[in-house]
Amino acid sequence: DTEVTQTPKHLVMGMTNKKSLKCEQHMGHRAMYWYKQKAKKPPELMFVYSYEKLSINESVPSRFSPECPNSSLLNLHLHALQPEDSALYLCASSQENKPSGEQYFGPGTRLTVT
Amino acid sequence: GENVEQHPSTLSVQEGDSAVIKCTYSDSASNYFPWYKQELGKGPQLIIDIRSNVGEKKDQRIAVTLNKTAKHFSLHITETQPEDSAVYFCAASKGAGGTSYGKLTFGQGTILTVHP
Repeated sequence: DTEVTQTPKHLVMGMTNKKSLKCEQHMGHRAMYWYKQKAKKPPELMFVYSYEKLSINESVPSRFSPECPNSSLLNLHLHALQPEDSALYLCASSQENKPSGEQYFGPGTRLTVT
Repeated sequence: GENVEQHPSTLSVQEGDSAVIKCTYSDSASNYFPWYKQELGKGPQLIIDIRSNVGEKKDQRIAVTLNKTAKHFSLHITETQPEDSAVYFCAASKGAGGTSYGKLTFGQGTILTVHP
């Protein structure tokens, strides 16, 4: 099973709202990732969690706040977003001790900021 | 940092033809090269990958070749079918010593259209 699930599938929010994106995997993977993907572009890495600790923050604005409550769950908290933050937000996971290992992506959350 | 260039940006073939997508990378330390297929409205799906100690890998109708000297790798799809239509991304990664995660650098993507 190589499934990563994400909720919600679609999200529309105003610039003053607070919302959260959720990601879950049950493959025992200990690295989890958040990516942002604009239309017709490749995914851009935002954050990496390794063993529930934040390992990489790719200079993401503070209006995006990641959280890893346990080894299976990854959240992305959103606050005071801008219209240019509208994109597909992808979660991925990979197996521990495989620094060049396979990353498995979820279906994404389509976010629209109005 | 790593830079990955992917060509062509669009590719149109007839059903049954072969399709080839090429990528070049800049960092000679990169040692892992996955290919992802992304269908409309879905997340990227890992379809095949190759590591730097292997020159070629095949899985049914898809194959990947790697030339470490020239720093390029290619995806080959034979006997294409309409369901192969999607955006294909190549990527490169290198082991970050002492870490348990990989940082992928993606190419810009190829829109493959297979006409029935």
